[in-house]
Amino acid sequence: GNSVTQMEGPVTLSEEAFLTINCTYTATGYPSLFWYVQYPGEGLQLLLKATKADDKGSNKGFEATYRKETTSFHLEKGSVQVSDSAVYFCALINMDSNYQLIWGAGTKLIIKP
Amino acid sequence: DSGVTQTPKHLITATGQRVTLRCSPRSGDLSVYWYQQSLDQGLQFLIQYYNGEERAKGNILERFSAQQFPDLHSELNLSSLELGDSALYFCASSVDAGTSSREQYFGPGTRLTVT
Repeated sequence: GNSVTQMEGPVTLSEEAFLTINCTYTATGYPSLFWYVQYPGEGLQLLLKATKADDKGSNKGFEATYRKETTSFHLEKGSVQVSDSAVYFCALINMDSNYQLIWGAGTKLIIKP
Repeated sequence: DSGVTQTPKHLITATGQRVTLRCSPRSGDLSVYWYQQSLDQGLQFLIQYYNGEERAKGNILERFSAQQFPDLHSELNLSSLELGDSALYFCASSVDAGTSSREQYFGPGTRLTVT
């Protein structure tokens, strides 16, 4: 079946540090991959997505590359800010999931000034 | 602002009661999805409607039901509430039937507390 595994949080970093949040998936076929972000007290927002192997999604300084050989979609940012503090969710969607989003558990990110 | 609205923002009720959560999708979106987010279960898909018809079902309890109206807004009805139903309930919408990888746009959620 389909599943998404994310690194456990919380991840605590200092401002301007480099960020990596790991995400690996199990899926048949060729899923599309997403990162959603949930800021405190808010709903989820799409951060970036990639729909095929080797695609790189990017937004607001965040990047993730769809790696089919390692079934991974790790989220990276070169220099984090306090305002990036949030919960980050990795998710996939494909025909086998009946095009429903399959979610990772979420990773809480805390950025200290 | 995603364009998806949910009411109420907060709801506090007692065990055994029934509540209705409301969602209005983005203008032009035909699909509405309901999700439950709790500390122990994480984010779970409950149910999807497309243009008034049920399209897909996830981990929705029999005590829960939903519908989508002709104006495309949707309601999620939760009955015989238990303490474990306390959670954030999100609504999301997308333009298509869920037959592709189009992204979903989420509302701000309704926080339900059952006491």
